[in-house]
Amino acid sequence: DGGITQSPKYLFRKEGQNVTLSCEQNLNHDAMYWYRQDPGQGLRLIYYSQIVNDFQKGDIAEGYSVSREKKESFPLTVTSAQKNPTAFYLCASSTGQGALGELFFGEGSRLTVL
Amino acid sequence: RKEVEQDPGPFNVPEGATVAFNCTYSNSASQSFFWYRQDCRKEPKLLMSVYSSGNEDGRFTAQLNRASQYISLLIRDSKLSDSATYLCVVNRGYQKVTFGIGTKLQVIP
Repeated sequence: DGGITQSPKYLFRKEGQNVTLSCEQNLNHDAMYWYRQDPGQGLRLIYYSQIVNDFQKGDIAEGYSVSREKKESFPLTVTSAQKNPTAFYLCASSTGQGALGELFFGEGSRLTVL
Repeated sequence: RKEVEQDPGPFNVPEGATVAFNCTYSNSASQSFFWYRQDCRKEPKLLMSVYSSGNEDGRFTAQLNRASQYISLLIRDSKLSDSATYLCVVNRGYQKVTFGIGTKLQVIP
């Protein structure tokens, strides 16, 4: 079955540590995204990538980094510079011209900073 | 003004009721529109795309009004399983996908 796989599902981190969230898709989509969701707020875009070896900052990129070395993979690193990293992180991909098609989401990674 | 606005609810409705949600958007350059459903602590899943001509899928009907810049979702004969948060999504391409905060629906027996 095609889809998006995120791991880990739950992650606990001590302050000052970097963590990397994995996102893999086998949908053959060019565009991939990372969103963050906090209670009472809509999804906010962290980074997106239109094609391999290219990515752009979203609305809240500070304290995060990404890479896109393969079409299937778009890992997100939450660095120690991110002031409030506890959140639900969602990876998505899309297709369609100009990426105007629907977004397909992974199951999410819930990060808690202790 | 937020780019996409939704009433967060909650909307508490009895089983069998009809309920409607609206969502307004501010950018007239928006090109595609969707309703997503999100269950508690889960990822959003596509419910319906929204077109100017309106589209229906079983008990669900979605409508787009470009002139007034709003989209709507109508749920008929509500089921307990419809309880979820419904996200309005407006797409201008790539980084210009904006999500509403969601409207929470609770269907009561």
